[in-house]
Amino acid sequence: AQRVTQPEKLLSVFKGAPVELKCNYSYSGSPELFWYVQYSRQRLQLLLRHISRESIKGFTADLNKGETSFHLKKPFAQEEDSAMYYCALSGAGNQFYFGTGTSLTVIP
Amino acid sequence: GAGVSQSPSNKVTEKGKDVELRCDPISGHTALYWYRQSLGQGLEFLIYFQGNSAPDKSGLPSDRFSAERTGGSVSTLTIQRTQQEDSAVYLCASSLGSDEQYFGPGTRLTVT
Repeated sequence: AQRVTQPEKLLSVFKGAPVELKCNYSYSGSPELFWYVQYSRQRLQLLLRHISRESIKGFTADLNKGETSFHLKKPFAQEEDSAMYYCALSGAGNQFYFGTGTSLTVIP
Repeated sequence: GAGVSQSPSNKVTEKGKDVELRCDPISGHTALYWYRQSLGQGLEFLIYFQGNSAPDKSGLPSDRFSAERTGGSVSTLTIQRTQQEDSAVYLCASSLGSDEQYFGPGTRLTVT
């Protein structure tokens, strides 16, 4: 069963425009949700997790249990935000489920 | 401290040959994961080790794929009789339980 869905494979926005990367999940229980990012020629790395409720590099993500969503948002996109973004879920037994990723391009 | 390391960084092999990919996790991390990253396919879970428990092999795509983790540390992913569709970047990650995963640089496998 698809646990994490990222509906957009590719997303392009202009510099300075708001950006939202969508993530929906399917899981019974109380999962932990994460966003991972992979910049060009760099390792995949954690961007943020829902339990910390912090803003990293201007990005925020709110867990909406009613809509089972964990969308990633930034009010003003920057060129350096261009990267591959993966939404991930951690459930019971420490199993991780990743979405298929969204490639974000910020157009100068 | 040292992060997750993987070797080799690149591997080119002929169709039908066997390959072994190695992962050295962060010392003390009890969980180790293998993923496959293909263009347009995102991150595909392969196998997961947690401590001394039996590994979760539910993501292995065929019986040509196997993995082991010796002494709760180093892991090797073996692909037997490689096929062209096995070409991808193979990523290893380690973590402390359900905490953040730390990824290695990956091994780029090309099957000719």
